[in-house]
Amino acid sequence: QQQVKQSPQSLIVQKGGISIINCAYENTAFDYFPWYQQFPGKGPALLIAIRPDVSEKKEGRFTISFNKSAKQFSLHIMDSQPGDSATYFCAASIDSGAGSYQLTFGKGTKLSVIP
Amino acid sequence: GAGVSQTPSNKVTEKGKYVELRCDPISGHTALYWYRQSLGQGPEFLIYFQGTGAADDSGLPNDRFFAVRPEGSVSTLKIQRTERGDSAVYLCASSFSGGGPYEQYFGPGTRLTVT
Repeated sequence: QQQVKQSPQSLIVQKGGISIINCAYENTAFDYFPWYQQFPGKGPALLIAIRPDVSEKKEGRFTISFNKSAKQFSLHIMDSQPGDSATYFCAASIDSGAGSYQLTFGKGTKLSVIP
Repeated sequence: GAGVSQTPSNKVTEKGKYVELRCDPISGHTALYWYRQSLGQGPEFLIYFQGTGAADDSGLPNDRFFAVRPEGSVSTLKIQRTERGDSAVYLCASSFSGGGPYEQYFGPGTRLTVT
């Protein structure tokens, strides 16, 4: 059972454009929703994260929009740059009861920003 | 400061052999996670340590997988009787703990290939 569904699988955006990646989750107990960026050969790195008590969070060119009733959240990258070309993962977590905030990841979106 | 380090970066082994993968977390991080990332997929949770104890091992796929963290710092993931299906990138992440979700800092991973 895939608890976090991510789309699209791949995305090509022109430099300066807006990149939008969507995720949907099933478990309403999730209470922490981070987005990770991963370059080839590297581990994932946190970009931005949101808790379900807010509908939007912005950090620089990156914005998370969160819709609790629809169980969906999305990442918007404004003014996309070639350096943003990477794989992006949405994730969700809850306290498993043992203090573990294990992350449940989506399958990833490979973003290519072309000049 | 230094990030999460993992050794070796690459490991090729024959089917049936035993392997050990090492993770050195960020100093002061009491929480440590192991994830496994198959090609084209998001990381999947394996095990969580709080200090020296494995507080949540619900993600370990079977009893061939085992992990330790004897002094609450370095952790070793051990895989017995490796199978070709174990081929993946094994990621380690560390974070602060207590009081809610904290950013998980990932290492670069160990790419395991079982021939």
